[in-house]
Amino acid sequence: DAGVIQSPRHEVTEMGQEVTLRCKLISGHNSLFWYRQTMMRGLELLIYFNNNVPIDDSGMPEDRFSAKMPNASFSTLKIQPSEPRDSAVYFCASSLLRTGYGYTFGSGTRLTVV
Amino acid sequence: AQKITQTQPGMFVQEKEAVTLDCTYDTSDPSYGLFWYKQPSSGEMIFLIYQGSYDQQNATEGRYSLNFQKARKSANLVISASQLGDSAMYFCAMRSETGANNLFFGTGTRLTVIP
Repeated sequence: DAGVIQSPRHEVTEMGQEVTLRCKLISGHNSLFWYRQTMMRGLELLIYFNNNVPIDDSGMPEDRFSAKMPNASFSTLKIQPSEPRDSAVYFCASSLLRTGYGYTFGSGTRLTVV
Repeated sequence: AQKITQTQPGMFVQEKEAVTLDCTYDTSDPSYGLFWYKQPSSGEMIFLIYQGSYDQQNATEGRYSLNFQKARKSANLVISASQLGDSAMYFCAMRSETGANNLFFGTGTRLTVIP
C-alpha cells in the first residue's frame, strides 16, 4: 500500500496565482480530509468528504479556496487567487470511517506564496 | 463543541527514561475516540495510538501507552524507554464516534530526548 500521496511536496508561487494541491487516497478508504498547519493556528480542518460528498466545509477560509473529489481515490484543493497568508503546510488524510480506525496522513505540501 | 488541550508546549526527557505527555479534552458526545500523532522534523504525521471512550482497558502499542481517565477527561500519552528518535511534536486529537467525523487536534507538545 503506497499510503496517501500528496503532490507537489513543495510549491512556491507568486501572489495572485492559482495553486492546485493534489491528494490520492488509500485504496478502499471512503473519507478524505484536508488540513492546514501553521505556527499560529496549528492544525485546522478545512474540509472533509465522505464517499466523495463534501460533508463539512466550514473550515474553508474564504471563497478563494475550493476542494473537489471527482472520484473515490482523488481530491484537489485549489486556491485562486493565492495570497501570502495562505502560506502553510497542507495535509490530506484518508480514513475508513469505522470506530477505532485511524487517519492516515500524506506527507503534506509546503506552500509558500510570495 | 469539542476541545483538546495540551498544556505542555515543550518537554525534555533523558534517553531511556519514561515521559508522560498531557492531554485533556472536552466533549458532550457519548462516544468518542482519542488519538495521538507524532510529527518529526521531517513533517509527516504518524499515527501512534487510539483509545475508544468505551474501552475498558488503556490502549498500548509497543513503547506507547495511553493513560485514559474518563472521569477526569484526560488521555495522557506515556512513552517508555525514550529514544533519540522520539524527539518530535506530539499531537493529541479527538473524534466523535456518533456525529461529525473530523479529527480535532490539540496544539501539540514538543518532546526533546536528551542523550
